[in-house]
Amino acid sequence: AQSVTQLGSHVSVSEGALVLLRCNYSSSVPPYLFWYVQYPNQGLQLLLKYTSAATLVKGINGFEAEFKKSETSFHLTKPSAHMSDAAEYFCAVSGVPVRNDMRFGAGTRLTVKP
Amino acid sequence: DGGITQSPKYLFRKEGQNVTLSCEQNLNHDAMYWYRQDPGQGLRLIYYSQIVNDFQKGDIAEGYSVSREKKESFPLTVTSAQKNPTAFYLCASSILTGGVFNEKLFFGSGTQLSVL
Repeated sequence: AQSVTQLGSHVSVSEGALVLLRCNYSSSVPPYLFWYVQYPNQGLQLLLKYTSAATLVKGINGFEAEFKKSETSFHLTKPSAHMSDAAEYFCAVSGVPVRNDMRFGAGTRLTVKP
Repeated sequence: DGGITQSPKYLFRKEGQNVTLSCEQNLNHDAMYWYRQDPGQGLRLIYYSQIVNDFQKGDIAEGYSVSREKKESFPLTVTSAQKNPTAFYLCASSILTGGVFNEKLFFGSGTQLSVL
């Protein structure tokens, strides 16, 4: 079975500062890893995904994440935070080849201060 | 516009009552899912369905039931056996390509269920 742990339920940064949201995974098979974003009272939208190709994955809205097998991590970063980045972010993992077993982390709420 | 529609947006349940949450998709996706979201706990999988007339239990299926009579519809019933039903419920879907489910989930906008 797969699982993810998101370190920090709340992260606050100033506008223009680096965003770093942490995610560690556990998987008995090569993992497929994802970051989703959720705005208030809405469903989730896919930001980016790792599917065993390049370890550095670029997503939408300037976000990227790096898969580090030795650290079992998939941290999400953005060089410069924007006010519109304020949302809740979820890391998720699924196993291969059964991709309908996706499991989500508890989420990290990002606040961006002006 | 293609997408997933969940209704109602807000729902209230009385003690001992069963309530049904609707989820409809016009994306022609094969798989559909129900997740429950509680503050600080992220999303937990309730049920999922890969094809019509077939569905599987997720991690927290007790107190819930589903049906998949049509490809585009996957309603969730919260039964009276679910003692703590207050949560935000999200429906999602994904496509089957080459025998493998696409890893991208498409989500509806959710239903907030509360107990009166």
